[in-house]
Amino acid sequence: DAKTTQPPSMDCAEGRAANLPCNHSTISGNEYVYWYRQIHSQGPQYIIHGLKNNETNEMASLIITEDRKSSTLILPHATLRDTAVYYCIVRTGANNLFFGTGTRLTVIP
Amino acid sequence: GAVVSQHPSWVICKSGTSVKIECRSLDFQATTMFWYRQFPKQSLMLMATSNEGSKATYEQGVEKDKFLINHASLTLSTLTVTSAHPEDSSFYICSAAHDRESQYFGPGTRLTVL
Repeated sequence: DAKTTQPPSMDCAEGRAANLPCNHSTISGNEYVYWYRQIHSQGPQYIIHGLKNNETNEMASLIITEDRKSSTLILPHATLRDTAVYYCIVRTGANNLFFGTGTRLTVIP
Repeated sequence: GAVVSQHPSWVICKSGTSVKIECRSLDFQATTMFWYRQFPKQSLMLMATSNEGSKATYEQGVEKDKFLINHASLTLSTLTVTSAHPEDSSFYICSAAHDRESQYFGPGTRLTVL
């Protein structure tokens, strides 16, 4: 599975959009981009995934660049409960998920 | 939908004893279950992958005789930490997937070995 690069930490004001970037320059054509988050002392929570089209669900939007070498997870209106570590993972099918260090997002009141 | 439970949520045991952790998919059939370990302030590390009815596949460096994994049904997998020692203290997390779909994670089990 392709390696991803994420900033170690980010802050976001409550109520504003949180934009979390991820670089995956070595992604191959059949690899999906997945996002999970982990709130302190809990198991990871699935957020969203996509292949090449932008995706949106009730939690977030995923924007994937045309060359698929990077993506951005958007939380449209961040709340304090969105404070967590966010992991960007690329994978094929049901292959194992390899978690990097992720981005620690802190939502500030 | 896609709820995964773990039991117990936390456990404290004496060194040398064995501990069993259960992972259940509550509303779907999990053809594959995964076990991860997470040390404080570190990321999740995959320990092993198990498919229902077959032997688990362990990641390099994970002792299969120490971490026994059983995936006897499509809704239950167990991890047994045998002869636990303080260095096995960690946060153990399972996940479950149906066929080639997304993995869904349990809430984790915090193991403390005294």
